[in-house]
Amino acid sequence: KAGVTQTPRYLIKTRGQQVTLSCSPISGHRSVSWYQQTPGQGLQFLFEYFSETQRNKGNFPGRFSGRQFSNSRSEMNVSTLELGDSALYLCASSLWDRAPYEQYFGPGTRLTVT
Amino acid sequence: AQKVTQAQTEISVVEKEDVTLDCVYETRDTTYYLFWYKQPPSGELVFLIRRNSFDEQNEISGRYSWNFQKSTSSFNFTITASQVVDSAVYFCALSESIKAAGNKLTFGGGTRVLVKP
Repeated sequence: KAGVTQTPRYLIKTRGQQVTLSCSPISGHRSVSWYQQTPGQGLQFLFEYFSETQRNKGNFPGRFSGRQFSNSRSEMNVSTLELGDSALYLCASSLWDRAPYEQYFGPGTRLTVT
Repeated sequence: AQKVTQAQTEISVVEKEDVTLDCVYETRDTTYYLFWYKQPPSGELVFLIRRNSFDEQNEISGRYSWNFQKSTSSFNFTITASQVVDSAVYFCALSESIKAAGNKLTFGGGTRVLVKP
């Protein structure tokens, strides 16, 4: 069974630009969550999607948004990039929609903002 | 609010030594889940274990063991007879078991384990 895939793996953008990251969950998984990992703030929850609906959102500005498609694939978008958005963005998928089940993470997209 | 604290930022051991990683959590919920993840240099978080708040049994899986103590809000992780391949950053995480909370994980700061040959 294929794992969680994320594209692209590496990305370099300039301040003020916008970026879209993609995540394909494990087949059959309907929940997709996004996390940001930085040396200073550690791993922080961005948002979670289930059945194309955002179910939960972390404390990030509105520049961070996401969506989920009917096939459970998810995208996250960051508009007006800032230097502080440089981070590893991790996507995780989970099987059920209820009690927290183990989340399986993808390899991440490393975003560098210059 | 939930909080997970991993007081040890880095631990260095020589191969075959045992290493214990501490994890202390805070939550007001009576039902919650605790996790441990491993992050090797490649960056991908690898799931190791999930434990719910009603199951305080310790667990052993090969060289890995976990000690969950609700009385002290701790969920410690021990690697026995460490190997170089165990070198990674290990994260402890907490999730509420409320339907509205979905699958949000609150992570600790991580502990970097360096196993020297």
